[in-house]
Amino acid sequence: DAGVTQSPTHLIKTRGQQVTLRCSPKSGHDTVSWYQQALGQGPQFIFQYYEEEERQRGNFPDRFSGHQFPNYSSELNVNALLLGDSALYLCASSLDGRNYGYTFGSGTRLTVV
Amino acid sequence: AQRVTQPEKLLSVFKGAPVELKCNYSYSGSPELFWYVQYSRQRLQLLLRHISRESIKGFTADLNKGETSFHLKKPFAQEEDSAMYYCALGDSWGKLQFGAGTQVVVTP
Repeated sequence: DAGVTQSPTHLIKTRGQQVTLRCSPKSGHDTVSWYQQALGQGPQFIFQYYEEEERQRGNFPDRFSGHQFPNYSSELNVNALLLGDSALYLCASSLDGRNYGYTFGSGTRLTVV
Repeated sequence: AQRVTQPEKLLSVFKGAPVELKCNYSYSGSPELFWYVQYSRQRLQLLLRHISRESIKGFTADLNKGETSFHLKKPFAQEEDSAMYYCALGDSWGKLQFGAGTQVVVTP
């Protein structure tokens, strides 16, 4: 089992562009959460998807949106990129997120220039 | 407001010495608290969960609701304990709020 897979591993975008990050959850998991980790900070919760719906959302602007597909994989979309969006984006999967049995991916390093 | 504070960014200890990582939290409900660890070039992984009350890799953590703390301790540090440690607070929906992390360096 490959665990949680994220793609791409690294990405460079220009201010104002849009980006899509992808996550495949661990086999058997149905819930995907996304976190943003800025340099020198702990991960910050963006949102959680369960049964293809956004179940909970952190304090992030509407420029951040997501989607979960029937196979439980997920995408994180960020529009109108700002320099401050540069960070490591982590995906974590679990079986019904409320049990905290999270498995984290290695993350996607996004650099906005 | 929900908050997790890890006051030490860096903790340097000698091998064999005790190590304690501090974590304080604020939460209006009944907290679920965790310690996560990230070893060099590895993924973030769960180390301890307060309700399990078990010792993992020699580490223990006690929830003190009076002091709103969940400090992580190990009596004898090993070189392989060098890593980044995050304290995290979980709400009833499974959202985790992380502290800023403490880098532990164990020197021989």
